[in-house]
Amino acid sequence: EADIYQTPRYLVIGTGKKITLECSQTMGHDKMYWYQQDPGMELHLIHYSYGVNSTEKGDLSSESTVSRIRTEHFPLTLESARPSHTSQYLCASSGGRRDYGYTFGSGTRLTVV
Amino acid sequence: EDQVTQSPEALRLQEGESSSLNCSYTVSGLRGLFWYRQDPGKGPEFLFTLYSAGEEKEKERLKATLTKKESFLHITAPKPEDSATYLCAIYQAGTALIFGKGTTLSVSS
Repeated sequence: EADIYQTPRYLVIGTGKKITLECSQTMGHDKMYWYQQDPGMELHLIHYSYGVNSTEKGDLSSESTVSRIRTEHFPLTLESARPSHTSQYLCASSGGRRDYGYTFGSGTRLTVV
Repeated sequence: EDQVTQSPEALRLQEGESSSLNCSYTVSGLRGLFWYRQDPGKGPEFLFTLYSAGEEKEKERLKATLTKKESFLHITAPKPEDSATYLCAIYQAGTALIFGKGTTLSVSS
């Protein structure tokens, strides 16, 4: 079944650690996105990619980086985690037809202590 | 600046009590307005896309409508399983969808 997967679902990590949040999709979608969501707040776009070797920063200033070496894989890396990075991170992808909207993963809940 | 504002922030309904959620937007040239449903601890799930004023779409107890400045999500005779946060988003040309803060709906039996 075509889907989008995020791992881990929950992560508690100490300040200063390097972490990578994984996102993979099996739908062959060219476009992929990372959003950050805090409770009661809107989703903020932090990175997006329109294809392999293409990445752009979104509206939200972020200390994270992304890579897109394979179509199906779009990992997000924090080089040095801080408590301000505590949030829910959502990965999404979209295909050629815009009216299908985005398909979201279940998210990673990150807590930095 | 393109933006999306949703109201109310929270809505409590009794089972069977119909109501509407509002999404107002400002954008230079709408290229699509999207409604999503988000359950706690999960990612948003796509519901509808609307493109032009006057357009309507329905799915079970939900009906989405669009005018030149806002969209409504009408919920007819809601059930407890309709409890969720409903998100509205617009397509920002050249980047990606931008979202409102959502309306959290609670339906009690």
